[in-house]
Amino acid sequence: EPEVTQTPSHQVTQMGQEVILRCVPISNHLYFYWYRQILGQKVEFLVSFYNNEISEKSEIFDDQFSVERPDGSNFTLKIRSTKLEDSAMYFCASGDRAENIQYFGAGTRLSVL
Amino acid sequence: AQKVTQAQTEISVVEKEDVTLDCVYETRDTTYYLFWYKQPPSGELVFLIRRNSFDEQNEISGRYSWNFQKSTSSFNFTITASQVVDSAVYFCALSEGVYNFNKFYFGSGTKLNVKP
Repeated sequence: EPEVTQTPSHQVTQMGQEVILRCVPISNHLYFYWYRQILGQKVEFLVSFYNNEISEKSEIFDDQFSVERPDGSNFTLKIRSTKLEDSAMYFCASGDRAENIQYFGAGTRLSVL
Repeated sequence: AQKVTQAQTEISVVEKEDVTLDCVYETRDTTYYLFWYKQPPSGELVFLIRRNSFDEQNEISGRYSWNFQKSTSSFNFTITASQVVDSAVYFCALSEGVYNFNKFYFGSGTKLNVKP
């Protein structure tokens, strides 16, 4: 069964460092998303991406964040200068127009020290 | 204001009991979609069900059933004869509007503990 794959599963970084979280969406999907979940809290929308551009972004998604689909298969989230409060589980999701179901990856746990 | 409210933070039941997880949503859109996702201890989010605002027919799938009521803006989820493997956090989510790629609003989740 097709699935969304995220790497790494756990990323530890020092405050101020750049991190790139990687996702391989389901191959025929056209809509891509990043969400985050701070420990014990709800899942929050960060950004949606379609046709090689951002469709919508939340107020969390400030200038420190960027997304890219560099090669037609990967979908990345970059945090330029990490802060302690960026520590969270980051979920990638993908979907297609027909189903309107977002399929989520297993997440990347980001720990900023 | 919360778009999706899951008032039950944590529920504990004994195996084989039935359990209902509540979800109340708020939207001004006439077209919207509602979802339930399961997050087991391993952390991934697993899709369970989708309902659109025009389909109030309730559904049963094995031990799972869903009760969608627009009049009370509720989309509740029932597990019949619960099992230990049902232990997880369950999230209700809302997607507004006619477009199929809109963002999800998640509730804060209900942690279900099923004890043997």
